[in-house]
Amino acid sequence: AQSVTQPDIHITVSEGASLELRCNYSYGATPYLFWYVQSPGQGLQLLLKYFSGDTLVQGIKGFEAEFKRSQSSFNLRKPSVHWSDAAEYFCAVRRTGNQFYFGTGTSLTVIP
Amino acid sequence: ETGVTQSPTHLIKTRGQQVTLRCSSQSGHNTVSWYQQALGQGPQFIFQYYREEENGRGNFPPRFSGLQFPNYSSELNVNALELDDSALYLCASSYRGQGYDEQYFGPGTRLTVT
Repeated sequence: AQSVTQPDIHITVSEGASLELRCNYSYGATPYLFWYVQSPGQGLQLLLKYFSGDTLVQGIKGFEAEFKRSQSSFNLRKPSVHWSDAAEYFCAVRRTGNQFYFGTGTSLTVIP
Repeated sequence: ETGVTQSPTHLIKTRGQQVTLRCSSQSGHNTVSWYQQALGQGPQFIFQYYREEENGRGNFPPRFSGLQFPNYSSELNVNALELDDSALYLCASSYRGQGYDEQYFGPGTRLTVT
């Protein structure tokens, strides 16, 4: 069963515009959720994580994400996108045994 | 603090051959996980090593095997290579014991099978 779904394969936004990347998960227990960013030819960099507590989490580079249990979602947001944010973004869930399952990713293009 | 390193950076092999990829975990970490990332896809969990033993495996055949050494570095071995094994192989290290485990990824090894 698919653990993480990222419905948007590709998104294009203008520099300075706001951004929201969608992530839905399927997991019975309280999930540990993550957002990673990957630049071309690079490994994955952790943007932010949610384990418990406050459902709005802040990350690096001005990103934030909100955990909504009722919607099984963990969407990533940024109020103002910079050209350097162009990259591939992956949502992931940590399941038992510290095994991470990733979505298929959303490719972000930023236009001037 | 030294991050996760992987070697080699790129590798070209022929179908049927065997390959070994290497990963040095971040200082202080005791767990290593391996992922396969095909072009245009998200990383797929292969397996994880903790205390030199396999500790969880994804949906990969037995020709994918691994090792973890006392210094927590790790190897991924793939036998009888197939064309579909062409991918970016990512290693991630973490420390088990904090209550949660945050994984730190290396830059990956790009494997091409011809």
